[in-house]
Amino acid sequence: QSALTQPPSASGSPGQSVTISCIGVTNEFPLHQTVSWYQQHPGKAPKLILYKIYERPSGVPDRFSGSQSANTASLTISGLQAEDEADYYCSSFPVRSNFGMIFGGGTKLTVL
Amino acid sequence: QVQLQQWGAGPLKPSETLSLTCVVRGGSLTDYNWSWIRQPPGKGLNWVGEISPTGIFKYHPSLESRVTISLHTSSNQISLKLNSVTAADTAIYYCAAFNKGAYYFDFWGQGTLVTVSS
Repeated sequence: QSALTQPPSASGSPGQSVTISCIGVTNEFPLHQTVSWYQQHPGKAPKLILYKIYERPSGVPDRFSGSQSANTASLTISGLQAEDEADYYCSSFPVRSNFGMIFGGGTKLTVL
Repeated sequence: QVQLQQWGAGPLKPSETLSLTCVVRGGSLTDYNWSWIRQPPGKGLNWVGEISPTGIFKYHPSLESRVTISLHTSSNQISLKLNSVTAADTAIYYCAAFNKGAYYFDFWGQGTLVTVSS
C-alpha cells in the first residue's frame, strides 16, 4: 500500500471540473512544497504537469491547478477536455525517508 | 529541451541480469539527478533508485542488494543493472531527470518493457 493514497478513479463531463486528491500518511507526508503530479496516457511515459504543489511547467495549460492543505494535496482540472482522459499520479518526498520519492497509486480519469 | 532515449535487452529468464541504458540528449549529466522508475503492467509507478552527477547513489531498500545505477559521462548515459531477476521484476522501466532542488521528475524516457519469464 502506497504512503500516498489516491482514489482509483474519477470522472467528469467535458467542460466540467474534477479534483483528484492525494492523501499522505500522517507524519510521513511530504516536506513543504514537494508534491508533484504526472499525467500518463495509455502506452506513454508519464509527463510532469505540476510541481511544488501548484507550479506548472512551460506548456501545461492553466486548466491544471494544484493545492495542498495539511496532509492532502489536490489536482484540479478545469474545463475538462477529452484529451485529459489519462492516469494521474501524485509524488512526493516523504518527511522520513531512507530512500527516495514515493508515488500515489494513481487515478484513472474518465471524460464522459 | 532534454530528451531521454533508453534501450535494453529482453526478454529475460529468471536469475538473469536486467541491463538498461538511457542517453541524455540536449542536456548534461550535471543538470539533474538521474532516476529509474518502474511500472508493472497495469499498475502504478515505483521508484527504483537514483544517482547524482557526482555519483552518489540511493536505491529502494527492497532492491538495493541487486541494483546498480551508473553514470557514463563520456557518452552522456545512465545505466541500470538489476541482477537475479524474477517475474516480479517484469515492468516498464523509465529513466527520468530528477530535479533534486524541488523534488520532481522533469523529463522521462519513453520506457522499456522488460519481461521476465521462464
